[in-house]
This record gives sequence, structure tokens and C-alpha cells, in this order.
Amino acid sequence: EPEVTQTPSHQVTQMGQEVILRCVPISNHLYFYWYRQILGQKVEFLVSFYNNEISEKSEIFDDQFSVERPDGSNFTLKIRSTKLEDSAMYFCASSGGDETQYFGPGTRLLVL
Amino acid sequence: SQELEQSPQSLIVQEGKNLTINCTSSKTLYGLYWYKQKYGEGLIFLMMLQKGGEEKSHEKITAKLDEKKQQSSLHITASQPSHAGIYLCGADGDSGYALNFGKGTSLLVTP
Repeated sequence: EPEVTQTPSHQVTQMGQEVILRCVPISNHLYFYWYRQILGQKVEFLVSFYNNEISEKSEIFDDQFSVERPDGSNFTLKIRSTKLEDSAMYFCASSGGDETQYFGPGTRLLVL
Repeated sequence: SQELEQSPQSLIVQEGKNLTINCTSSKTLYGLYWYKQKYGEGLIFLMMLQKGGEEKSHEKITAKLDEKKQQSSLHITASQPSHAGIYLCGADGDSGYALNFGKGTSLLVTP
């Protein structure tokens, strides 16, 4: 069964460093998303991406964040200068025509 | 903005017992999704409901959307330890396809 994959599974970084989280969506999906879940809190939407551009973003997704689809398979989230409060689980999701979003296993980011 | 309230917040049931989790929205639901999350892992899609009065079942899990499309319930029959996890309801946001999620219901099934 097709699934969304994410790498790395865990990332530890120093405050101020740049991180890139990678995702491989389900191959025939056209819509891609990033969500985050701070420990003990609810899953929060960050950004959606369609046709090589951002279609929607939340207030969380400020200038420190960017997304890219560098090739036909990968979808990345970049945080330019990480802050302590960026520590969270980051989930990638993708959807096809039926709107159901399928989530990856997540990347646990810890900013020290 | 839409708020999703889940109840109960946590639940401990004995194996074999039935249980129900509720999700109430502050606005009309146009798409309601149930996911299961194992602790520290990703979200697994369970079911999607769109029409008022709709009911779907998969194995021992049944989800319903009320006629007014503001409340959904998830019912598990004859619970098993494999049902343990966090159940999340999510709904289509006001625009686009962003999902808003409830805080989740943590389920533990004891032998």
C-alpha cells in the first residue's frame, strides 16, 4: 500500500541553525501539506502546496519557513534559523482527488 | 475560526468493552475525518464523513455524523489492546484543504 515517508525520523539541532525536513508523498498525489505537533498539544496546520506553489498557510508559517518540491518526488520544509519553540513533531501529508490526507510517520525535531 | 472539542479527553476500558468518543464542532462540518495516532507516531486515516446522518464502519469501528453536521461520534465494539492510541477528529477548515484537529482522545485498553 502506498505511503508517505519522511526523513529523518529524528533531528537534533542547535538554536539558530537551518534544518531541512524531507518528505516523499504518495506518488500520484497532487496536494502536499506540512503540520506540526508540539508535545502535548494538538496537530496544527502549517502550509499546503499545489501546482508548485503555496496554496494556503497558517500564521505559524512565517518568513523562517519555506517549502519546496525540488524534484518530482520530494517535498521539503526548511526552517532557516531554528528557535527553541520550533521543537515539535513535523508531519507531512499528501492527498489526491478525494481530499483525504494521508500522513507520514513524522520527524521529531529538537532544538537545543 | 472553527473549534473541535473531543470528549472524553482520555479513556481506560477493559478489553471486550464498547466505547464511544465524541467530536463537536463550533461550525457546520463539511468534511470530518477520524485518525488514529499511536504514541509518538504518525496519523493513520480511519474514516471520512461528509453527509448529515452518514455512518461508516470498518472492522469494529463505526463513525457517525449527525444530521446537523456539527457532531461526530466514533464507536468501538468489543475493544482490543490493538485499539489503544490517540483518536483525533479533523475537519476541513474555512478555506482550502487545511485540516483543523481536536486535541485528541487517549484510549487505553486493559486486558
